[in-house]
Amino acid sequence: DVKVTQSSRYLVKRTGEKVFLECVQDMDHENMFWYRQDPGLGLRLIYFSYDVKMKEKGDIPEGYSVSREKKERFSLILESASTNQTSMYLCATDILRDDYGYTFGSGTRLTVV
Amino acid sequence: AQSVTQLGSHVSVSEGALVLLRCNYSSSVPPYLFWYVQYPNQGLQLLLKYTTGATLVKGINGFEAEFKKSETSFHLTKPSAHMSDAAEYFCAVSDQSGATNKLIFGTGTLLAVQP
Repeated sequence: DVKVTQSSRYLVKRTGEKVFLECVQDMDHENMFWYRQDPGLGLRLIYFSYDVKMKEKGDIPEGYSVSREKKERFSLILESASTNQTSMYLCATDILRDDYGYTFGSGTRLTVV
Repeated sequence: AQSVTQLGSHVSVSEGALVLLRCNYSSSVPPYLFWYVQYPNQGLQLLLKYTTGATLVKGINGFEAEFKKSETSFHLTKPSAHMSDAAEYFCAVSDQSGATNKLIFGTGTLLAVQP
């Protein structure tokens, strides 16, 4: 069975800290995505990557960066965490264009205090 | 640009009753449409998808959805609700403007099932 693993289920960080959220997939998928989920707003795309070292901004990239040094790992980085980045973060993967339908990780609930 | 509207952020039904969750989309090209379900404290799971072909799509757990181009709708239904169906449901449309398949999600509908 395919697996997308997010390293932490719950995370509490202080304002101003640099935060790393990790996502690892075992499916050899090219595409990986980071979304944040907030009540009433649904899922909003932060960044995505279609290949190693390749990345593109999504709809809400401000305050975030990403890293994809290996195909299986896609990291989301909060350069200086702020309270408005308290949210559920979801990683997803997809294989090319012809097999639609993401596989999601279980999510990381981040609280910034 | 593609977009999705889910009507009703909260829907409550009785166990055994019909479930109807509404989704309307906007797309300048033939859309690819999806329904996902999210159980508490979990990620999203694909329920069903429409890409091409038959407009009535069957998914897991007894759910189905019908693509109606004339109404720009993709409503999700289940004939008889079960307590285990209580979850949040998201409709999504594929953004086909680039080389990578990006999904645009609606704001979600929280389904409550009353005993």
